[in-house]
Amino acid sequence: AQSVTQLDSHVSVSEGTPVLLRCNYSSSYSPSLFWYVQHPNKGLQLLLKYTSAATLVKGINGFEAEFKKSETSFHLTKPSAHMSDAAEYFCVVILDSWGKLQFGAGTQVVVTP
Amino acid sequence: EAQVTQNPRYLITVTGKKLTVTCSQNMNHEYMSWYRQDPGLGLRQIYYSMNVEVTDKGDVPEGYKVSRKEKRNFPLILESPSPNQTSLYFCASSTLQGRNQPQHFGDGTRLSIL
Repeated sequence: AQSVTQLDSHVSVSEGTPVLLRCNYSSSYSPSLFWYVQHPNKGLQLLLKYTSAATLVKGINGFEAEFKKSETSFHLTKPSAHMSDAAEYFCVVILDSWGKLQFGAGTQVVVTP
Repeated sequence: EAQVTQNPRYLITVTGKKLTVTCSQNMNHEYMSWYRQDPGLGLRQIYYSMNVEVTDKGDVPEGYKVSRKEKRNFPLILESPSPNQTSLYFCASSTLQGRNQPQHFGDGTRLSIL
C-alpha cells in the first residue's frame, strides 16, 4: 500500500531564510507525488508534481522538490521564504491510475518578519 | 477562467436538517471528488465519480450521498446531518485523459452542525 508521511506538523521560519518541508513515502513501486498549498480560506493549489520524468522538480513560487528513491523522500524546499508562503502544505501520493489521492496530514508554515 | 465552484462557502445548521452542497466545474473534467478536511488528518475522500452516472465510495462515505446527473455538477448531500460531520469540505475535479493528472480544488465549504 502507498502512503505519505509529513514529518513536521508545524514549521516556523524567518522571512528570507530557507524553507524545508519533509515528506516520506511508502510505495512498492515508483509513485507519483504532488505538493499542494492551502492558503487560509482557500482551496488547494498545486505547487508541483513528480511523475518519474526528472528527480528534481521545479514548481511555482520558487518551490522545488527532489525525489530520492534511496531515502523514500520527496522534500519540498524554497531558498528564501516570503511572508506570502505562510500556509498549510500537503504532500500527496496517487494511489491508482484513476487518480485516487492519499494526503499527508499537512505542515503548517509560519513566516516571521 | 478554469474553476471549481462550491456553494455555500459557509453553513451553520442543526442536526437532522437535510442539506446539499453544490459543486460545479467548467473544465469538462470526467473525474470529480469530495473530500473532508479535519485537523491532523489531512483530506479524506468521501465519494468520487469517474463520469456521468458513475459514482463510488471513498474512504469515509458514511452519512453522505452524491449524484452525477450532469458532467459539470457533483452535489454532496447530507440527508440527516450530525455534529461529527462538522468539517471543511472540498470538491475537486480532474481529467482522466493521460495518467496522473492533478486535481483542481474548489475554495471549500465550512459546515457546522449543531
